[in-house]
Amino acid sequence: GENVEQHPSTLSVQEGDSAVIKCTYSDSASNYFPWYKQELGKGPQLIIDIRSNVGEKKDQRIAVTLNKTAKHFSLHITETQPEDSAVYFCAASKEAGTALIFGKGTTLSVSS
Amino acid sequence: SAVISQKPSRDICQRGTSLTIQCQVDSQVTMMFWYRQQPGQSLTLIATANQGSEATYESGFVIDKFPISRPNLTFSTLTVSNMSPEDSSIYLCSAMPGRTEAFFGQGTRLTVV
Repeated sequence: GENVEQHPSTLSVQEGDSAVIKCTYSDSASNYFPWYKQELGKGPQLIIDIRSNVGEKKDQRIAVTLNKTAKHFSLHITETQPEDSAVYFCAASKEAGTALIFGKGTTLSVSS
Repeated sequence: SAVISQKPSRDICQRGTSLTIQCQVDSQVTMMFWYRQQPGQSLTLIATANQGSEATYESGFVIDKFPISRPNLTFSTLTVSNMSPEDSSIYLCSAMPGRTEAFFGQGTRLTVV
């Protein structure tokens, strides 16, 4: 089955810096890759996603890139703010509407 | 987007007892999913629940321990049976309205003593 690896497990940056989180997946049939942000005591919130027919997607300060050949995708957050501090999870699935397989998560800390 | 409500938000239970978690979606969805998130860990899929059929369980999870109901297109329940301290986790339900993005409830934080 699918296996998703996520790095780093923790990431500390200064406010205004960029943060990059990387994930690799094992199943070449996977074609949907969302990213979630989870704050303490809350459920995961979808922040951005990408499908396999697209190489990059941007939404304001957040971008995701996908390299299908290498089977890896990355989350980029620019101009980080303290409110970006949370746990971020990448995930993969074979098609929209099917269950997601999650990476182990990255704890991002943004200090002011 | 979708609003997914879970009840209870947290509970402390005695070992050997059972707890039923409810999940309500504000729109009709074909599939709902139940995940477990152990403290400080990632999300692990327990089962997929389709309306009108038996839930499909992932390896390591069995129906006797985690029975699931799916009586209609907006509601599902997960029961954690014969609980032990190892069942202490956050349990999350998820749904995909429109079969695109997956949305999550706020989770049920279960502590077994």
